[in-house]
Amino acid sequence: DAGVIQSPRHEVTEMGQEVTLRCKPISGHNSLFWYRQTMMRGLELLIYFNNNVPIDDSGMPEDRFSAKMPNASFSTLKIQPSEPRDSAVYFCASRPTGTSGYEQYFGPGTRLTVT
Amino acid sequence: EDQVTQSPEALRLQEGESSSLNCSYTVSGLRGLFWYRQDPGKGPEFLFTLYSAGEEKEKERLKATLTKKESFLHITAPKPEDSATYLCAVQALSGGYQKVTFGTGTKLQVIP
Repeated sequence: DAGVIQSPRHEVTEMGQEVTLRCKPISGHNSLFWYRQTMMRGLELLIYFNNNVPIDDSGMPEDRFSAKMPNASFSTLKIQPSEPRDSAVYFCASRPTGTSGYEQYFGPGTRLTVT
Repeated sequence: EDQVTQSPEALRLQEGESSSLNCSYTVSGLRGLFWYRQDPGKGPEFLFTLYSAGEEKEKERLKATLTKKESFLHITAPKPEDSATYLCAVQALSGGYQKVTFGTGTKLQVIP
């Protein structure tokens, strides 16, 4: 199994530009999570989906952030417009069907730098 | 507000020198406590889930324990490959949602 796949691995963009991060969960996993990790705030849950449906987006910091999961094998996290304070590592994680809690499998992350 | 505090922030051990990492928490309605290992430049790797006080889980040189206020990750006779940042997270019911809060981690370095 290839594990959770994220792209791009690194993204450098200018303030005000739109950024789209992509995630492919592990096949057979029905829950998907988006996280943000910074030195100051640690790892924060942004949003999670069950069976492609957003369940809790209370961690999304602002309306500039949006996430979609059009099918079981693909999700995007979009930031529009981006700001320097959005610079962080963004992780996607998936959880096997039939499990609960936070026994998740994380992707390698996307390091976002907004200048 | 749910809080998770990990200590120490950093720990340096000689190979074979056993020690413990602490994760203390203040949450309402604990649903589970989770330990992860994170290597530099990688995503966290799930290690353990603990659900109730008194529960223990083991994996190789690692043992996780849980009380009503804290969890410990005991590392017995560590090896250099155990060097990583160890994160704990708590899941609690808040506002009708299952919320997760992560600690900021303990960075462990095991010296040969």
